[in-house]
Amino acid sequence: DARVTQTPRHKVTEMGQEVTMRCQPILGHNTVFWYRQTMMQGLELLAYFRNRAPLDDSGMPKDRFSAEMPDATLATLKIQPSEPRDSAVYFCASGLVTLLSSAPGELFFGEGSRLTVL
Amino acid sequence: AQSVTQLGSHVSVSEGALVLLRCNYSSSVPPYLFWYVQYPNQGLQLLLKYTSAATLVKGINGFEAEFKKSETSFHLTKPSAHMSDAAEYFCAVSGRSKLVFGAGTILRVKS
Repeated sequence: DARVTQTPRHKVTEMGQEVTMRCQPILGHNTVFWYRQTMMQGLELLAYFRNRAPLDDSGMPKDRFSAEMPDATLATLKIQPSEPRDSAVYFCASGLVTLLSSAPGELFFGEGSRLTVL
Repeated sequence: AQSVTQLGSHVSVSEGALVLLRCNYSSSVPPYLFWYVQYPNQGLQLLLKYTSAATLVKGINGFEAEFKKSETSFHLTKPSAHMSDAAEYFCAVSGRSKLVFGAGTILRVKS
């Protein structure tokens, strides 16, 4: 049963600490997205990758957030230093883009990483 | 640019009643449209998708949606609500390299 795997599921940390969230996309998918979900802002797109190359990270606060794909099986989202306003659920999603469409036909979401910054 | 608007951030229905969640889209090209559902403490999962084939799309759990180009709508319906349908529902449209999501509609089902 192919699924997107995210770790950690829950993270509580103190302001100023570094936080790294990891995502294993579904094998064979060539597009990976990072979303943040809060009650106030809803679902926000932070960044996304195609074939491991960043396509757009304009949704991310550049001074403290960074996203990478070291290899095809791992995507990371790092916050340094973390702040209380970063408290949210962070979702990773993967999909397959083919020559027939510029966007994925469907996205598969992980269960999310719930971050609490005190 | 592609966008979707979901009308109503909260919808409440009685168990057994019709569910209607509204979504209007804007797209400069023939769109792919999606409905996703999110249960508490879970990620989003696909309910159904429209990819320019039949305009009436059937999804999981008895949901369906109809693509109406003249109204730029893709409303989600279910004839009879069940308590287990209580969740947040997101409409999405395919954009340049990504899916663009609506703000979501929380569905409450009353017993």
